[in-house]
Amino acid sequence: DAGVTQSPTHLIKTRGQQVTLRCSPKSGHDTVSWYQQALGQGPQFIFQYYEEEERQRGNFPDRFSGHQFPNYSSELNVNALLLGDSALYLCASSLGWDGGYTFGSGTRLTVV
Amino acid sequence: RKEVEQDPGPFNVPEGATVAFNCTYSNSASQSFFWYRQDCRKEPKLLMSVYSSGNEDGRFTAQLNRASQYISLLIRDSKLSDSATYLCVVNDYGQNFVFGPGTRLSVLP
Repeated sequence: DAGVTQSPTHLIKTRGQQVTLRCSPKSGHDTVSWYQQALGQGPQFIFQYYEEEERQRGNFPDRFSGHQFPNYSSELNVNALLLGDSALYLCASSLGWDGGYTFGSGTRLTVV
Repeated sequence: RKEVEQDPGPFNVPEGATVAFNCTYSNSASQSFFWYRQDCRKEPKLLMSVYSSGNEDGRFTAQLNRASQYISLLIRDSKLSDSATYLCVVNDYGQNFVFGPGTRLSVLP
């Protein structure tokens, strides 16, 4: 039973570029949440997708957008990258809104 | 005030010690509470859920005080492998999980 898988594992981008991160939820899970974790800090909620719609959004600018596909997988897109976007991006899946989270191993994004 | 606050840490303790982590949350409507463990450069992993009656899992004991909006985690007989960052997590029904900043624990030989 595959857990949450994220790709790529590491990524280096230049300021101003755009990036797409991908997440496949754990089998049986229908909800995907994205978090940004800067070094030495706890994960910060970006947004949550359920039934292919953004259900909730944290305090992140519109440069951060996402999508959920019919198979429940999800993408996180970040436009006009800033140095401050460098972080570990975590995807968590759950069954429903308040089901326990299972995290993927994350994508470490470095913006130079 | 941050939604979830934790002891700033780091905690450096010898093997065999007992260590306690504290966490407070600001939203009285919060419904679910968890402790996650995160190893260096790894993803967070669920350590245990926290129930009003308190719960124990081996060397780990979690307690919740809803009146004080306070959560605790006690680790007895610390092992080197317990070294990690411990994240307090609070969830409002139907809302997202809110993470605390984490408290880093180093268990020393």
